Amino acid sequence: KAGVTQTPRYLIKTRGQQVTLSCSPISGHRSVSWYQQTPGQGLQFLFEYFSETQRNKGNFPGRFSGRQFSNSRSEMNVSTLELGDSALYLCASSATQETQYFGPGTRLLVL
Amino acid sequence: AQSVTQLDSQVPVFEEAPVELRCNYSSSVSVYLFWYVQYPNQGLQLLLKYLSGSTLVKGINGFEAEFNKSQTSFHLRKPSVHISDTAEYFCAVSYNTGGFKTIFGAGTRLFVKA
Repeated sequence: KAGVTQTPRYLIKTRGQQVTLSCSPISGHRSVSWYQQTPGQGLQFLFEYFSETQRNKGNFPGRFSGRQFSNSRSEMNVSTLELGDSALYLCASSATQETQYFGPGTRLLVL
Repeated sequence: AQSVTQLDSQVPVFEEAPVELRCNYSSSVSVYLFWYVQYPNQGLQLLLKYLSGSTLVKGINGFEAEFNKSQTSFHLRKPSVHISDTAEYFCAVSYNTGGFKTIFGAGTRLFVKA
């Protein structure tokens, strides 16, 4: 089985722009979660989607949003980028809710 | 509220020596416990997990962990490390709030020296 894939792997944007990241889960997994990883804050939960519905949400501003499609693929969007949004964004998929499998991440640099 | 504390931010160790990475958690509800490893510029790879049953859990790459409910700990061990084990290790707990949430410790950087 193919693992979780994320595109793009690297991205450079400037302040004020918006960005969309994509995640394709492991085949058959219906839950997709997103995390932000930074040296200062570590791994922080953004949100989780299950069957196209947001089921859980972390403490991030409304500039961070996501969605899930009927094929379980998910996208997250960050609008009005700030320097502090520079991070590794990780997607994880799950079939059994409690166990997550992570993708390689998208490294976003905001200039 | 749930929390995870990894007691060491960095652990240097010589090759072929044993290692223990410590993890304590706090929770008012039942949790599942995990260890993940992250190599540079990569995502997290699941090393092992404790869901129920035997408190000694064996994972990939020769790692094992023991769940201790009374001490709320889930320490990761390996009897003999290799240079290739140099990486960041994350302890995590997952709990059900009408949908599972997972919180991670701050990570422990294992540095294996020749």
